[in-house]
Amino acid sequence: DTGVSQDPRHKITKRGQNVTFRCDPISEHNRLYWYRQTLGQGPEFLTYFQNEAQLEKSRLLSDRFSAERPKGSFSTLEIQRTEQGDSAMYLCASSQGTSGSTDTQYFGPGTRLTVL
Amino acid sequence: DAKTTQPPSMDCAEGRAANLPCNHSTISGNEYVYWYRQIHSQGPQYIIHGLKNNETNEMASLIITEDRKSSTLILPHATLRDTAVYYCIVRPRNFGNEKLTFGTGTRLTIIP
Repeated sequence: DTGVSQDPRHKITKRGQNVTFRCDPISEHNRLYWYRQTLGQGPEFLTYFQNEAQLEKSRLLSDRFSAERPKGSFSTLEIQRTEQGDSAMYLCASSQGTSGSTDTQYFGPGTRLTVL
Repeated sequence: DAKTTQPPSMDCAEGRAANLPCNHSTISGNEYVYWYRQIHSQGPQYIIHGLKNNETNEMASLIITEDRKSSTLILPHATLRDTAVYYCIVRPRNFGNEKLTFGTGTRLTIIP
């Protein structure tokens, strides 16, 4: 049984560069979520997909951020023109997509981004 | 905004039961209580959730007060590997309210 996987686990980049992260959800999970976590804080919701449709985006997701899930399986999160404030752990989660309490989200290990 | 209040930190001796409290005095009838934990530098791990009845699984027990305004997560025999930040989250059961709103959680340290 494979859980949610994320790649890369760590990324160091220079300010102004573009970065892309990948998330592979648990097989047959219809929903996929992205969260961001800064030091000492709990994760904050960014966006989520139901299959390939992006259904909700947080105000945290500025114009420099874009997420895709083209075939309803894996997802990518791209940050353009990175800023030092983008340094954080980016977490992906997936769930089956059933209504109500049974739709538990399971998280991946995260991608830690450091912008120099 | 987080709808829960948790103590920032707690210690527990190894082998003893760890009891982590959570206050959610504004919880509504259609909201569940979820618990996750996050071990250092890892993603959050689902532990347990409940609505109004007490729940138990292989990891923990969840005790919800009758008025549902508070709950306690119980780790029956804490080990060093239980050292983590524990998050209590209330979440609507309605379809369409999907995001989890994390607070700052309780940092639990298991003492050898």
